[in-house]
Amino acid sequence: AQSVSQHNHHVILSEAASLELGCNYSYGGTVNLFWYVQYPGQHLQLLLKYFSGDPLVKGIKGFEAEFIKSKFSFNLRKPSVQWSDTAEYFCAVRASGTYKYIFGTGTRLKVLA
Amino acid sequence: DVKVTQSSRYLVKRTGEKVFLECVQDMDHENMFWYRQDPGLGLRLIYFSYDVKMKEKGDIPEGYSVSREKKERFSLILESASTNQTSMYLCASSLPSGNYNEQFFGPGTRLTVL
Repeated sequence: AQSVSQHNHHVILSEAASLELGCNYSYGGTVNLFWYVQYPGQHLQLLLKYFSGDPLVKGIKGFEAEFIKSKFSFNLRKPSVQWSDTAEYFCAVRASGTYKYIFGTGTRLKVLA
Repeated sequence: DVKVTQSSRYLVKRTGEKVFLECVQDMDHENMFWYRQDPGLGLRLIYFSYDVKMKEKGDIPEGYSVSREKKERFSLILESASTNQTSMYLCASSLPSGNYNEQFFGPGTRLTVL
């Protein structure tokens, strides 16, 4: 069965620090990959997605993620976080051509001003 | 922009009550989903619908049912609410499961069962 692992459950950073959130999945076939963010009191929204092509994907608000097929990973990065990045981040995977999205357990990021 | 709305942000019900959670999307999406979100467990799929009157069970369908009579509306039903169904319920929609399609989420309904 497919699964998604987010190893960091809680992350605390100071403003301007660099961020990397890990995401690993287990599925041998072609996948579509997503990062969603949930700001306090708001709905889940898409940060970025990968379907094919350049494995380095850029999203909104300065976030990027790199798909490394050999490592089954899709880590999220941001060079310099802001207080407003405080949120919960979810990685999701979908086997290409299927309907089912598998979500990780989420990472709560707190950025200290 | 896609808009997914859910009928209530907060709901308090008693054990044994029948509970209806409504979700409406305005972008003519074929696919609609119901998840529950619990701390430390992420999002777990309850049910999925890919067309009117069509549904498929997700990972945790026990104690729930769904209804999709119109394309834009997808209802989640708790036939007899129990305390372990206290959770945040998220509705989502998407275009058919081809490439380049992501899910769009509603604001969630926080259900408390007493």
